[in-house]
Amino acid sequence: AQKVTQAQTEISVVEKEDVTLDCVYETRDTTYYLFWYKQPPSGELVFLIRRNSFDEQNEISGRYSWNFQKSTSSFNFTITASQVVDSAVYFCALSEVNYGGATNKLIFGTGTLLAVQP
Amino acid sequence: ETGVTQTPRHLVMGMTNKKSLKCEQHLGHNAMYWYKQSAKKPLELMFVYNFKEQTENNSVPSRFSPECPNSSHLFLHLHTLQPEDSALYLCASSHLLLRGPNFSNQPQHFGDGTRLSIL
Repeated sequence: AQKVTQAQTEISVVEKEDVTLDCVYETRDTTYYLFWYKQPPSGELVFLIRRNSFDEQNEISGRYSWNFQKSTSSFNFTITASQVVDSAVYFCALSEVNYGGATNKLIFGTGTLLAVQP
Repeated sequence: ETGVTQTPRHLVMGMTNKKSLKCEQHLGHNAMYWYKQSAKKPLELMFVYNFKEQTENNSVPSRFSPECPNSSHLFLHLHTLQPEDSALYLCASSHLLLRGPNFSNQPQHFGDGTRLSIL
């Protein structure tokens, strides 16, 4: 069975601190995709990154970076020099690969609420 | 307008009412999704439509009835709902998954959701 675990329910940091959000996944597929989404108070889920299972290269985008470790089934997300605007719920998700071409089914974790205090 | 638009943003209804949620996407996508987000639970996929055809029904009770008249519009018709159906309902869209060497799981783009409260 596929599963995504975000063990950190809530994290509170002070502005300018670095923070890492953990994501651990389970899958039997050899090909899969991992995603991070941000959900601000407005409710909309904002796509942040997609990573396929064959690409273990870490990625950096501005203050955001992602560490994909296939050996530990983890896909952690680090925000450097956090800002108040980073306050949101962050979801990690795993996508099944369906060679029937039918769907793009996402399995989400329960999310981590990040509160950045000024 | 761009992106994925959901209306209404908030809906309060009694258990015997009938209402509909609407989703519209302006991204040229051909797959659309309904998700349910309840407090302290992962987002739950409800339905998937590819090119207007339903390809996934995740064991959703029949009191939820989806409709996809075209690739840009998706509805969720509600009737005789239960209090436990109170949640945030999110619509998403993406490019259709392709087969073969061009296979790619495209990111889903979400709307702001409809906050549904059942009295």
